[in-house]
Amino acid sequence: GAGVSQSPRYKVAKRGQDVALRCDPISGHVSLFWYQQALGQGPEFLTYFQNEAQLDKSGLPSDRFFAERPEGSVSTLKIQRTQQEDSAVYLCASSFDREYEQYFGPGTRLTVT
Amino acid sequence: SQKIEQNSEALNIQEGKTATLTCNYTNYSPAYLQWYRQDPGRGPVFLLLIRENEKEKRKERLKVTFDTTLKQSLFHITASQPADSATYLCALPPNQAGTALIFGKGTTLSVSS
Repeated sequence: GAGVSQSPRYKVAKRGQDVALRCDPISGHVSLFWYQQALGQGPEFLTYFQNEAQLDKSGLPSDRFFAERPEGSVSTLKIQRTQQEDSAVYLCASSFDREYEQYFGPGTRLTVT
Repeated sequence: SQKIEQNSEALNIQEGKTATLTCNYTNYSPAYLQWYRQDPGRGPVFLLLIRENEKEKRKERLKVTFDTTLKQSLFHITASQPADSATYLCALPPNQAGTALIFGKGTTLSVSS
């Protein structure tokens, strides 16, 4: 079956632009996670959804970051007024439930110039 | 807060040898710990999950141990092959009620033929 997909794979944004990153999780997976990965580092947690409910957004670095999963499947991570420090790979993962293994997408590499 | 240390950034071994990677954590002992593999330009791929009441878990050439007294997990790849070359990440929940995972920085394994 299909894995987790993310689009776009690469995004270049000028500082100050808004971007939207999409995640299509594995069908039937209740839990969905967003992570940010800087070069040479492990993924860092941003936010967690259980179905359509955003249960944890403690990792979002600022109020410029916003995520939604309105119908409990596809999720969008939006970054407003992008800054250079937002440049990173944004990974989406889904799982059957929160304490199970997570299936990651290929990531979106965001470069802010 | 919980911290993870993967004490080797890079490990170089010869084909056929056993690779041993270390993951140490501080503070509380998690209910489970996971290991992932990440190849360049790709998202992490789940390998193994070990729970606190399990001392050891095996999957094909992989073996994971979990010592809650030492606050340490060891990850072994036996009969290593060049195709095992990748970055290996240790991950665990940030607290007892943790939703997402916190990841170590990873250890990059290179297996030479």
